[in-house]
Amino acid sequence: SQTIHQWPATLVQPVGSPLSLECTVEGTSNPNLYWYRQAAGRGLQLLFYSVGIGQISSEVPQNLSASRPQDRQFILSSKKLLLSDSGFYLCAWRWGTGAGGELFFGEGSRLTVL
Amino acid sequence: DAKTTQPPSMDCAEGRAANLPCNHSTISGNEYVYWYRQIHSQGPQYIIHGLKNNETNEMASLIITEDRKSSTLILPHATLRDTAVYYCIVSPVSNDYKLSFGAGTTVTVRA
Repeated sequence: SQTIHQWPATLVQPVGSPLSLECTVEGTSNPNLYWYRQAAGRGLQLLFYSVGIGQISSEVPQNLSASRPQDRQFILSSKKLLLSDSGFYLCAWRWGTGAGGELFFGEGSRLTVL
Repeated sequence: DAKTTQPPSMDCAEGRAANLPCNHSTISGNEYVYWYRQIHSQGPQYIIHGLKNNETNEMASLIITEDRKSSTLILPHATLRDTAVYYCIVSPVSNDYKLSFGAGTTVTVRA
C-alpha cells in the first residue's frame, strides 16, 4: 500500500529564518507530487507541483521554492520566512499516469511565523 | 479550468441524506467533477469523481446533470463525523493535472 509522510507536523519560526518541509511517498514510483498551502480560514492554494525528478512547476510567485531530489521526495523551502508564510502546508501525490485522478494528502505541517 | 460555485454553508440532520449542490456551467468536455472533503486540521480526503454518468461508492453518490453544468453530492446517511468542508472541483486529467480548491461548502451535521 501507498503512504505519504510529512514532517515536521508543527513548527514555530521567527521572521527571516529558513524553512524546510519534507514529504516522502512510499509504495509507488514516479508519482506526481504537490505542495498546497492553507491560510487560516481559507481554501487550499496550490504552490508547486512536480511530474518527475528535478521538474518543478510554480503556481504562485513567492519566496518559497520546491525541489524534488529523488523520485518520491518533495521538499518545500524558504531562505527567509515572512509573516504571511504562516499556514497549513499539505503535500499530496497522485499516480503519474492513468485517469483515476485522486489526490492523496499527507497530514500536513502547521507553520507559525512570529 | 472551469470554475465551480457552491453554497458557503449548510446544515443537515444526523441520519438524513445530505445533498450538496455544485454549479460548473463552464465545464469542458474533457473535465471531470471531483469531490473532496476536509475535516478540521486534516488533509483533504477524496470522496468521488465522475465525467458524465452518475457514480456511487461506499462514501457517497454523485449525480451529474445531463448537460454537465451542475452536480450534486449525496451523503446517504449523514453522521456527525461527516461534518467538514466539502470541495467540488472540475479539472481535466492529464499528466500535469492539478486541482484548485475553492472555498467549498461547510457542512455541519447536527444530532
